[in-house]
Amino acid sequence: DGGITQSPKYLFRKEGQNVTLSCEQNLNHDAMYWYRQDPGQGLRLIYYSQIVNDFQKGDIAEGYSVSREKKESFPLTVTSAQKNPTAFYLCASSIQGESNQPQHFGDGTRLSIL
Amino acid sequence: AQTVTQSQPEMSVQEAETVTLSCTYDTSENNYYLFWYKQPPSRQMILVIRQEAYKQQNATENRFSVNFQKAAKSFSLKISDSQLGDTAMYFCAARASGTYKYIFGTGTRLKVLA
Repeated sequence: DGGITQSPKYLFRKEGQNVTLSCEQNLNHDAMYWYRQDPGQGLRLIYYSQIVNDFQKGDIAEGYSVSREKKESFPLTVTSAQKNPTAFYLCASSIQGESNQPQHFGDGTRLSIL
Repeated sequence: AQTVTQSQPEMSVQEAETVTLSCTYDTSENNYYLFWYKQPPSRQMILVIRQEAYKQQNATENRFSVNFQKAAKSFSLKISDSQLGDTAMYFCAARASGTYKYIFGTGTRLKVLA
C-alpha cells in the first residue's frame, strides 16, 4: 500500500545536538511538507518542497533544515539552534498542481529533550 | 494572507446525536479548497471531507456533511449519528488554488460520550 513513513516514532535530543527526522513516501507525490504540532496551536508549517532539490521556508523555519535529494524523501533536521524542539512533527505530501487534493500524512514523530 | 479560525476548542456530544463544528476562514482568493481532517488519539491525520469553493452544493461523506457559506466564509462540519470512534481532534484547513500551502485552524477536540 502507498503511504508516508515517518521514523522514528519517538526521538530524544540532548542539549546542543542535531537530530534528523525521516520522511519517506511512495505515493509519487511531488510536494512534501513538514509541520510542527503543539497543544492548542494546530499545525504550523516548517518547510515545504514542491520539487526535488527545491524547498521553501514555512512559518517557523528557524532552527530547522531540510533537504530534498530524492522525490521520495524529505528529511528534517532539528538543529541545536531550535531552543524549544519538544513537539509532535508531522510529514505530509500532496499531488502537484491539484489544489483540490488533500494532503496525506505520516504517523508523526514525537521529539523530546533529555 | 489566509487564516482559518476554529472558535470551539472542545466539544462533546452524546453517542447517536448530531454535532456541528465551526470553521471560518479569511481569504482574498477567488478559488480555493477547504478540508476537514480528523486526528484520533493515534495521532494520524485523516481526511474527512473536502469542498471546492466554486461548488455551491455542500459536500457529503456518509455521516459527515458540511455547511459551506461562501459569503460568510464559513465551513462547518456536521457529524450525524455520532459514534465513539468519532472522538478526535478535528482540523479545518484551506488551500488557495495554484498554491502549495495549506492553512490549518487550531482544532476542535470532540469527545463522543457513551
